[in-house]
Amino acid sequence: AQKVTQAQTEISVVEKEDVTLDCVYETRDTTYYLFWYKQPPSGELVFLIRRNSFDEQNEISGRYSWNFQKSTSSFNFTITASQVVDSAVYFCAPTLTGANSKLTFGKGITLSVRP
Amino acid sequence: EAGVVQSPRYKIIEKKQPVAFWCNPISGHNTLYWYRQNLGQGPELLIRYENEEAVDDSQLPKDRFSAERLKGVDSTLKIQPAELGDSAVYLCASSQDEAYEQYFGPGTRLTVT
Repeated sequence: AQKVTQAQTEISVVEKEDVTLDCVYETRDTTYYLFWYKQPPSGELVFLIRRNSFDEQNEISGRYSWNFQKSTSSFNFTITASQVVDSAVYFCAPTLTGANSKLTFGKGITLSVRP
Repeated sequence: EAGVVQSPRYKIIEKKQPVAFWCNPISGHNTLYWYRQNLGQGPELLIRYENEEAVDDSQLPKDRFSAERLKGVDSTLKIQPAELGDSAVYLCASSQDEAYEQYFGPGTRLTVT
């Protein structure tokens, strides 16, 4: 079974600040995928990023970047120059592959970006 | 490209009544998921379909919940009879297959009184 820990429950920042959302996961499998999703006040879950467990290259996509460290089972997500529209609940979710594929969501981190 | 469509968006029913939710996935997506999201929590998987086959229904309360995906496209999730604890948002998602990102619909907010 997988487990996700998002220790931060609520984060509040002022617009244009950088913010990092932490995620630690547990899995016995060696091959899996990791996802971040965003859920704005409208309620619809929005896919943000996907990472394979065998690719630890960290990347930047626009204002988003992520730091995946398999050795510490962490998959942190950073928003640079935050904007008010970034206010949402952010979920980290690992999934196994194949027949046991199932996203396991954490409890989420509520991010509030103040103008 | 149209996203995942769900209906209704909101439903209020009395306990012991039946209720059904409908989902139309993104065209070409073989994998369809139903999740339940309680207030303040992340979504939890109820059932996963690969085409018309339910490949993981281990979290579906089978005494009152049922689901079907006829012809491997649209899906319906049913609760009969509903209980107070079933109040939640029911989310449908689809993906090309299990390795790809899932795209979620807007959800159905169920309130059981």
